[in-house]
Amino acid sequence: QVQLVESGGGVVQPGGSLRLSCAASGFTFSSYGMHWVRQAPGKGLEWVAFIRYDGSNKYYADSVKGRFTISRDNSKNTLYLQMNSLRAEDTAVYYCASRVINPNDAFDIWGQGTMVTVSS
Amino acid sequence: EIVMTQSPATLSVSPGERATLSCRASQSVSSNLAWYQQKPGQAPRLLIYGASTRATGIPARFSGSGSGTEFTLTISSLQSEDFAVYYCQQYNNWPRWTFGQGTKVEIK
Repeated sequence: QVQLVESGGGVVQPGGSLRLSCAASGFTFSSYGMHWVRQAPGKGLEWVAFIRYDGSNKYYADSVKGRFTISRDNSKNTLYLQMNSLRAEDTAVYYCASRVINPNDAFDIWGQGTMVTVSS
Repeated sequence: EIVMTQSPATLSVSPGERATLSCRASQSVSSNLAWYQQKPGQAPRLLIYGASTRATGIPARFSGSGSGTEFTLTISSLQSEDFAVYYCQQYNNWPRWTFGQGTKVEIK
């Protein structure tokens, strides 16, 4: 079945770095753009970054631009988010998501999320 | 950036009753509007896309309407499993996807 599984979350000090991964299965990963979305504790959803199916274009929320880098390895069916210069306000559950099932740009598949805590 | 505003923040409803949730966009998003349901400890689940089309496997008691800047999600007869937080999202202003702040539907 169609599935996304995130990993790589953890506790990191302010100013530190972390790399998240999202392993895809059950669909042709190389055909679809992929997103990262985050959710701070008790808060709503915030779109973070998007990468086109072939990695040719990448887009970021202003809150992470210049600090986070989205990338993908289509040979490994894996999406990444490199997070540098982390701040307390980056503390959140990070989800990968995409549009795979429905003929529309809404996010119809989501991973279970991985928690990132930025704290000293 | 398009700002999505949901109302009310919390909706108290009895099982079997109808729930009506609203979402307003700061500028037109045409019909490029989705609704998601999120339960505690779970990822969001797509309910509605294109403002009014139910996603695969979503029960008919969920319906969406609206276009432009005003949208509504209606749950015709609330079931116990429907108590959750609901988010609207616009995907018209590509590549700046934005979500509303959420409406919590709780048991009255």
